[in-house]
Order: sequence, then C-alpha cells, then structure tokens
Amino acid sequence: AQSVTQPDIHITVSEGASLELRCNYSYGATPYLFWYVQSPGQGLQLLLKYFSGDTLVQGIKGFEAEFKRSQSSFNLRKPSVHWSDAAEYFCAVGISGGYQKVTFGTGTKLQVIP
Amino acid sequence: DADVTQTPRNRITKTGKRIMLECSQTKGHDRMYWYRQDPGLGLRLIYYSFDVKDINKGEISDGYSVSRQAQAKFSLSLESAIPNQTALYFCATSLPTSNEQFFGPGTRLTVL
Repeated sequence: AQSVTQPDIHITVSEGASLELRCNYSYGATPYLFWYVQSPGQGLQLLLKYFSGDTLVQGIKGFEAEFKRSQSSFNLRKPSVHWSDAAEYFCAVGISGGYQKVTFGTGTKLQVIP
Repeated sequence: DADVTQTPRNRITKTGKRIMLECSQTKGHDRMYWYRQDPGLGLRLIYYSFDVKDINKGEISDGYSVSRQAQAKFSLSLESAIPNQTALYFCATSLPTSNEQFFGPGTRLTVL
C-alpha cells in the first residue's frame, strides 16, 4: 500500500522568503502526486499535480513541485511567500488504474510572519 | 460553477444521537468519497462509491454508514454518535480517469 510522509508538522517563514515543504512517498510504481492547500475554515484546494512527463510541475498561486523518483519525493516550493499563503498543506499520492485510492499526508501548517 | 456542497456546515449533537451529513455535487462525477480530518492525522477515508450501486468501506468505516441516493448525492450517517467522532468531515468527487479529487467545504461535527 502507498504511504505519504510530511516530516514537518509546522513551518514558520518570513514574508518574502522562499519556501520548501517536504513530501516523501512510498509506492512501488510511478504514482500520481498532488499538493492541496487548506485555508482556515475552508475545504481543500488543489495546488498542483503530477501524473507523468516533466518532473517540475507548475501550479496555482506561484507554487511549483519537483518529482524526484530517486528520492521518492515531491517537494513543494515557492520563491517568495505572501502572508496569504498561511494555511495547511497536504501532499497526497494516488495509484494509477484500478481503485485509484488516494492517501494523504498528515499536513504541514505554514505560518507567515511579517 | 460545477461544485461540491455539504450540509450542514456545522453541527453540534449529543452522544447517542443519529446524525446525517449530506453531500451533493453538480460536477457530473461518478466517484464520491467521505473523509474525516483530525488534527495531526490528515484525511482518512471513511467510505467511497464508484456509482450508485458500488459502495465500499474505507480505512475507518466503523460507526459510519453511507447512502448513495443518486449520482449526485452521497450521505454519511452516524447511527449513534460518540465523542471521538468529533471531527471535520469532507466529501469529495473524482473522475474515473484521475485520482484528482474535488472537495466540498466540509462539515464540522461536534459530539458532546
């Protein structure tokens, strides 16, 4: 079965600083990979996804993520964080074909300080 | 816009009460899901349905039941609510060709 690890429970960055949120997955084949964002009191919104092809994926709100098969990672990055990026971020892994179950990580809460 | 809606958005109930959470979608997706979110635990799958006649248990289905009344409607019931079912519940939909899931706004349930 697939699994997802987000090693950082909470991260604090200064506004304007760069951001990297870590995500590691475990799955025997090439997975589908996702990053979702959850603002306070809101549902989950898809930031970006990787299915195949270019391993550097661009998403909404200036986010990008890079799939590294050798490291089983799919880290989320943003070059300059805005106060409105304060939210919780979830990495998720899905399997291709069949049931298509999606497994979510436990989330990383991002705090942005002035 | 095609959307996923959940009712109610907030609910406070007492131990032992029967509760139903409802989910409707206008996306035309066949696949629907119920998750619960607890702090530090991420999202865990309760039930999923691939169509009206195909309903399956997820990883934490004990104490819950579901009903798929139509392609667009998927309800989650707690037959006898208990305090450790206090959580944020999300409904989601997806296409059969993709794992990408589309989430509703969530229902915050408190069981006293």
